[in-house]
Amino acid sequence: AAGVIQSPRHLIKEKRETATLKCYPIPRHDTVYWYQQGPGQDPQFLISFYEKMQSDKGSIPDRFSAQQFSDYHSELNMSSLELGDSALYFCASSRPRGYEQFFGPGTRLTVL
Amino acid sequence: QQQVKQSPQSLIVQKGGISIINCAYENTAFDYFPWYQQFPGKGPALLIAIRPDVSEKKEGRFTISFNKSAKQFSLHIMDSQPGDSATYFCAAISGTYKYIFGTGTRLKVLA
Repeated sequence: AAGVIQSPRHLIKEKRETATLKCYPIPRHDTVYWYQQGPGQDPQFLISFYEKMQSDKGSIPDRFSAQQFSDYHSELNMSSLELGDSALYFCASSRPRGYEQFFGPGTRLTVL
Repeated sequence: QQQVKQSPQSLIVQKGGISIINCAYENTAFDYFPWYQQFPGKGPALLIAIRPDVSEKKEGRFTISFNKSAKQFSLHIMDSQPGDSATYFCAAISGTYKYIFGTGTRLKVLA
């Protein structure tokens, strides 16, 4: 069965650089969620999109922005990167109005 | 403020034993409670989930017990195996569909 695809899987950036993370949801899933997980911590909700519109916003810094495109894939744009942004970033998707969220393998971002 | 409190933080169980992880919540608007299993460097994988109108749900070796009045729910892993060694997260969800995760329990099953 098709799963959530995230790219890249690993990313190394310098401070103050920008990064773009991509997420391709499971086919026919219309809702995408982004989470940030620090070492030894639980995933923290950042932002979600339903039918290409932002549906909810969590603890996402103003330096970050995201969008969902017509093919339902989503991109998380991160600017002015800080050391504290180093984390695993997960994308999850769900069916229309579905409660089950299916997580991708994550992107490990390291900011040097 | 952690809206979903999870305990214990870590758990060591002998092979064949029962692993029990507990979660408590405050927000009565939560209406879906999943458990996720996460291996190091991997994404969380849905194990089992329950709605508050059900007191227990069993899938294979995994059982959720739900106590609506106490606002608590727990995961029981029967016949625990070394391959179950992972971090387990409970979560809760309300109307906007975003998950609120517990702080996680690192389970180690000894062979």
